[in-house]
Amino acid sequence: NAGVMQNPRHLVRRRGQEARLRCSPMKGHSHVYWYRQLPEEGLKFMVYLQKENIIDESGMPKERFSAEFPKEGPSILRIQQVVRGDSAAYFCASSPPNSYGGIAKNIQYFGAGTRLSVL
Amino acid sequence: SQQGEEDPQALSIQEGENATMNCSYKTSINNLQWYRQNSGRGLVHLILIRSNEREKHSGRLRVTLDTSKKSSSLLITASRAADTASYFCATVQTGGGNKLTFGTGTQLKVEL
Repeated sequence: NAGVMQNPRHLVRRRGQEARLRCSPMKGHSHVYWYRQLPEEGLKFMVYLQKENIIDESGMPKERFSAEFPKEGPSILRIQQVVRGDSAAYFCASSPPNSYGGIAKNIQYFGAGTRLSVL
Repeated sequence: SQQGEEDPQALSIQEGENATMNCSYKTSINNLQWYRQNSGRGLVHLILIRSNEREKHSGRLRVTLDTSKKSSSLLITASRAADTASYFCATVQTGGGNKLTFGTGTQLKVEL
C-alpha cells in the first residue's frame, strides 16, 4: 500500500514562472492537506481539501496560490508568478474518511515533500 | 501567531539516556499529536493524545497532556542514535476542523 506520493521532489523555478506541485493521497484516503515549511521552522497549514471541494483555505495566501483535488487524479497546489519568498518545502498529507471513526481519522500521513527553489 | 512553542529548541544526549521535549499551545484543543521528521524528509506520526487523556504510552514513548497549563511533554526512553530527528507537536483545535497547527520543533541529537 503506497504512502502519500508527492512529485516532483525538487522543483526549481525562476521568478515569475508557475510552479505545480502534485500529491496522490494514500489509497482509501479522501482528505488532503497542504503545508509549507520554511527552513528551521515548523509546518504551516495552507489548505484542506476533499474530493472536488475546498474545505478550509484559511492558510492560503490570497493571491497567486490555488489548490484543487479533482474527482480523478492527484491534488495540485499551484503557485503562479513565483517569488523568492515562495522557496520552501511543501508537504502534502492525507487522512482517511471521517467514517473511520476513533483516532484513525485524526492521523495525517505525510509525503516526502516538494522542495521549491525560486531563483 | 505560533500555536505551539517547543522547548528546548535543540537537545543533545548520549545513547541510552532519556530525552524529554515540551510543547505549549494557546487554544482549546481536541487532541495533540507528536510527529517526527528526519532531515529532508516528511513527517511521521508518533502518538496522539486526546484532550480528555492525561498520559499515553507507545513503546519507548510517553506523552503527557495538561490542558489546564496548555502543555504537553514527550519522553523518549533509552534513546538510540536512530532517534536523531526533529520532533514536532501539533494540535487539532476545537472547532478548527482537521487541520494541524504545528509547534516550532525540537531538534534531538543522540550521540553514540
